[in-house]
Amino acid sequence: ILNVEQSPQSLHVQEGDSTNFTCSFPSSNFYALHWYRWETAKSPEALFVMTLNGDEKKKGRISATLNTKEGYSYLYIKGSQPEDSATYLCASTNAGNNRKLIWGLGTSLAVNP
Amino acid sequence: NAGVTQTPKFQVLKTGQSMTLQCAQDMNHEYMSWYRQDPGMGLRLIHYSVGAGITDQGEVPNGYNVSRSTTEDFPLRLLSAAPSQTSVYFCASSDKHEGYEKLFFGSGTQLSVL
Repeated sequence: ILNVEQSPQSLHVQEGDSTNFTCSFPSSNFYALHWYRWETAKSPEALFVMTLNGDEKKKGRISATLNTKEGYSYLYIKGSQPEDSATYLCASTNAGNNRKLIWGLGTSLAVNP
Repeated sequence: NAGVTQTPKFQVLKTGQSMTLQCAQDMNHEYMSWYRQDPGMGLRLIHYSVGAGITDQGEVPNGYNVSRSTTEDFPLRLLSAAPSQTSVYFCASSDKHEGYEKLFFGSGTQLSVL
């Protein structure tokens, strides 16, 4: 994988459902993986930055895992609420690319009340 | 508690006009950057700076200039606007540029070039 790919592109869930999405990234020379939450008409806000294989991070009902050997990260939302509706972006950086972030296109989540 | 302040929020230009998008941060961050967001594409880096007096090109630098005379400010100049520069622009900063620091984003500028 040369680029950062996110799936699914969009997701509609009911309030209370738990959901997860995937970020695939280049695993060679991996350095860090970022997750951001981007609400409509606002600016992206950082959720997590992860660097170590097997790392797990949690913020309230949102958690993320990281597998650097196979090049993927999962973002989980437990008990989705309407306020979780947003686009979730991931970005990775490799040791060799001058630490520049490569961004995915995002997963757009809509939580219906 | 300002964080990253970006102005203007909206701008309409005619082809050939020039303008400057302003970005200021009050967190004493070393790293500042400009991105553009276009439909169907990920955020693309235009220019970045790792400290006052130091700037470098990102993925899509053509048609844009930057300068970093102070730690706080990182303006983006469009020299001669073209319709292809219609986009949403974000300024972002982080403490350093090691790759594992969270980015703090400005509120964005929606630019239309007619």
